Amino acid sequence: DQQVKQNSPSLSVQEGRISILNCDYTNSMFDYFLWYKKYPAEGPTFLISISSIKDKNEDGRFTVFLNKSAKHLSLHIVPSQPGDSAVYFCAASDSGGSNYKLTFGKGTLLTVNP
Amino acid sequence: NAGVMQNPRHLVRRRGQEARLRCSPMKGHSHVYWYRQLPEEGLKFMVYLQKENIIDESGMPKERFSAEFPKEGPSILRIQQVVRGDSAAYFCASSRRDSNSPLHFGNGTRLTVT
Repeated sequence: DQQVKQNSPSLSVQEGRISILNCDYTNSMFDYFLWYKKYPAEGPTFLISISSIKDKNEDGRFTVFLNKSAKHLSLHIVPSQPGDSAVYFCAASDSGGSNYKLTFGKGTLLTVNP
Repeated sequence: NAGVMQNPRHLVRRRGQEARLRCSPMKGHSHVYWYRQLPEEGLKFMVYLQKENIIDESGMPKERFSAEFPKEGPSILRIQQVVRGDSAAYFCASSRRDSNSPLHFGNGTRLTVT
């Protein structure tokens, strides 16, 4: 049973436009959500996070939105750059503030075209 | 590079052999976590260790897999009598303590069982 779902395996956008990556979860106990970015042959790199007490968190070009009632979160990248091309993983934790036990989605491959 | 160091990067083993994967955490980090990524899947938590202690091994397969983090030296993930289904990327992460600090992942070891 997949508790964190990223239904789009891939997404292609033009440089300068907005990239929107989506993630759905089923476990209502999840209280902490993260996005990781992964380049080929490298480990995941932390990008941005949000706790369940918030509905939005922003860091530069990256914004994460959380809709608890819909059990949905999204990552917005504005403006998108070619260097953003990577696999993006959504992850969630229900460890009551201890975020080591993450449940990951399968990832979305983002391609930003120049 | 003072990041999480994993070696080897690639490991090929024949069925029935043993695989040993090593992880040196970031400087100053005393908590280590192992995750596995099977083909076409997201990362899955395996085990959480502190120096000389296993804190949470709820994600470890019941047989053939073991992990340690000795007082001196790297953390070791050991897989005995490997089977083809063990072929995966194994990622190690570290943190200063079990907290809300995001996990910092290494570049992984890709294990191929032939």
